[in-house]
Amino acid sequence: KAGVTQTPRYLIKTRGQQVTLSCSPISGHRSVSWYQQTPGQGLQFLFEYFSETQRNKGNFPGRFSGRQFSNSRSEMNVSTLELGDSALYLCASSLARNEQFFGPGTRLTVL
Amino acid sequence: QQQVKQSPQSLIVQKGGISIINCAYENTAFDYFPWYQQFPGKGPALLIAIRPDVSEKKEGRFTISFNKSAKQFSLHIMDSQPGDSATYFCAASNLGGGGNKLTFGTGTQLKVEL
Repeated sequence: KAGVTQTPRYLIKTRGQQVTLSCSPISGHRSVSWYQQTPGQGLQFLFEYFSETQRNKGNFPGRFSGRQFSNSRSEMNVSTLELGDSALYLCASSLARNEQFFGPGTRLTVL
Repeated sequence: QQQVKQSPQSLIVQKGGISIINCAYENTAFDYFPWYQQFPGKGPALLIAIRPDVSEKKEGRFTISFNKSAKQFSLHIMDSQPGDSATYFCAASNLGGGGNKLTFGTGTQLKVEL
């Protein structure tokens, strides 16, 4: 079974721009969660989608948003990028409420 | 507010030794405690997980010990190997409360020396 895939793997943007990241979960998994990983703050939960509905949300500003499609694929969007948004963005999928499997991440650099 | 505290920040162990990483949590609603291993440039990989109804779980060289009353859990890596050198994260979530939100510890960089 293929693992979680994330595209693109690397991204360079400038301040003020917006960015969209994509995540394809493991086949059959209906839950997709997003996390931000930085050296200073560690791994922080952004939000979770299950059956196209946001089920949980972390403490991030409204510039961070997401959505899930009927095939369980998910996208997250960050608008008006700031330097502090530079991070590894990780997507994790699970069947329902249980084990989460992470993708390789998208490395976002904001200049 | 950090809800999962992890120690030590870094650890050096000799090959064949035992690596021990500790975590403590605050939220008594947590009911699922996984450990993840992360290599540079990769996403975290699930190693082993435990629910609070058991005090220990073993999978191969990896063992989780869980102390519900102390709100602490730990990862033991037996017969540590150089290939185990990675960053380890403990985490916790409240599956019973709905959803898969994981709260992570700050990570432990493990180095296994020959």
